[in-house]
Amino acid sequence: AQSVTQPDIHITVSEGASLELRCNYSYGATPYLFWYVQSPGQGLQLLLKYFSGDTLVQGIKGFEAEFKRSQSSFNLRKPSVHWSDAAEYFCAVGNFGNEKLTFGTGTRLTIIP
Amino acid sequence: DTGVSQDPRHKITKRGQNVTFRCDPISEHNRLYWYRQTLGQGPEFLTYFQNEAQLEKSRLLSDRFSAERPKGSFSTLEIQRTEQGDSAMYLCASSLQGGYTFGSGTRLTVV
Repeated sequence: AQSVTQPDIHITVSEGASLELRCNYSYGATPYLFWYVQSPGQGLQLLLKYFSGDTLVQGIKGFEAEFKRSQSSFNLRKPSVHWSDAAEYFCAVGNFGNEKLTFGTGTRLTIIP
Repeated sequence: DTGVSQDPRHKITKRGQNVTFRCDPISEHNRLYWYRQTLGQGPEFLTYFQNEAQLEKSRLLSDRFSAERPKGSFSTLEIQRTEQGDSAMYLCASSLQGGYTFGSGTRLTVV
């Protein structure tokens, strides 16, 4: 069965500092991997996805993620965070056949001045 | 195209009542998914449709839950005899070959 682990429940970063959110997955084949962002009371917005090819994926809002098969990881990075990046971030792994997503428990990002 | 629409945005109901939520997917998307998200957790898969066929249901979907997608367009999710444990955000998503889009969700509160 597929699973996702986001080891950090809450991260606090200063505005302008770099960010890395960790994600480890378990999946039997080549995974589809996603990062979503969710503001309070809102739905999920896709930041980026990895299906195949280049292991460094660029997304919206200046985010990127790197797929590392040897580490079963898909960490999200941003070189300089903005106050508007404060939100909940979810990593997800998808099934190639039915595209059903399995989500991690999320990482809440707080930005301090 | 305005994306995936869900109605209502919020629903407060008394325990034991039935509720129904609606999801309008992106028109050309053939797959439609329902997820449930409780406070502090990631979304959990409930069920999905390919066109009008319901192809998979999670064990989370008890017999009080039923979902339909008549004519392969919009979908409804009904919860009968609601319980306090049903309080959650119900998210709908649609996809076409990996292009996955979520709606804003319906927040259900059972009192």
